[in-house]
Amino acid sequence: AQKVTQAQTEISVVEKEDVTLDCVYETRDTTYYLFWYKQPPSGELVFLIRRNSFDEQNEISGRYSWNFQKSTSSFNFTITASQVVDSAVYFCALSDKAAGNKLTFGGGTRVLVKP
Amino acid sequence: GAVVSQHPSRVICKSGTSVKIECRSLDFQATTMFWYRQFPKQSLMLMATSNEGSKATYEQGVEKDKFLINHASLTLSTLTVTSAHPEDSSFYICSANQGMGNSPLHFGNGTRLTVT
Repeated sequence: AQKVTQAQTEISVVEKEDVTLDCVYETRDTTYYLFWYKQPPSGELVFLIRRNSFDEQNEISGRYSWNFQKSTSSFNFTITASQVVDSAVYFCALSDKAAGNKLTFGGGTRVLVKP
Repeated sequence: GAVVSQHPSRVICKSGTSVKIECRSLDFQATTMFWYRQFPKQSLMLMATSNEGSKATYEQGVEKDKFLINHASLTLSTLTVTSAHPEDSSFYICSANQGMGNSPLHFGNGTRLTVT
């Protein structure tokens, strides 16, 4: 069965600080996909990244970076030099081959960036 | 880019009435759409998988007679909350997949349902 754990429920930082969001997943499949989504207060889900299980390269996109470690089943997300607009709930999600395109979401981490 | 439109964004209804929520893929065809529910300050939970031209597949614990799903075309899926009760008040959000395989899922903007 799939499971995604985001141990941090809420993180508060001051603007310009870096913040790392943890995500640990469980799956029996060797083929799976990991996602990160941002949910601002308005409610919509904004897609940030998808990573497949065969690609362990870390990725950087602007101030966002992701660290995929298969050995520890983790897919952590770092926001560098945080800004107030980064305040949102961030969800890590997993989709494995057995589940098709169904996503299992972690509990989410609320990030509050203070000016 | 691909867009999923969800309507209405907010709805308030009285107990006992039914509410229909639409999910449209605007510039691509989606044979499969997904419906999720999110209670305040909680995560998203999959309710059902909507399959074009066939019956929806419901997750365990979701009442199919209460949450009616219709996917009559490749661009439209509807979720009807029948005989709504206050405990059905929640944020409902749909997603659709563009193309085959696990391509990024596109989400609608969600519908906030309040049952009084």
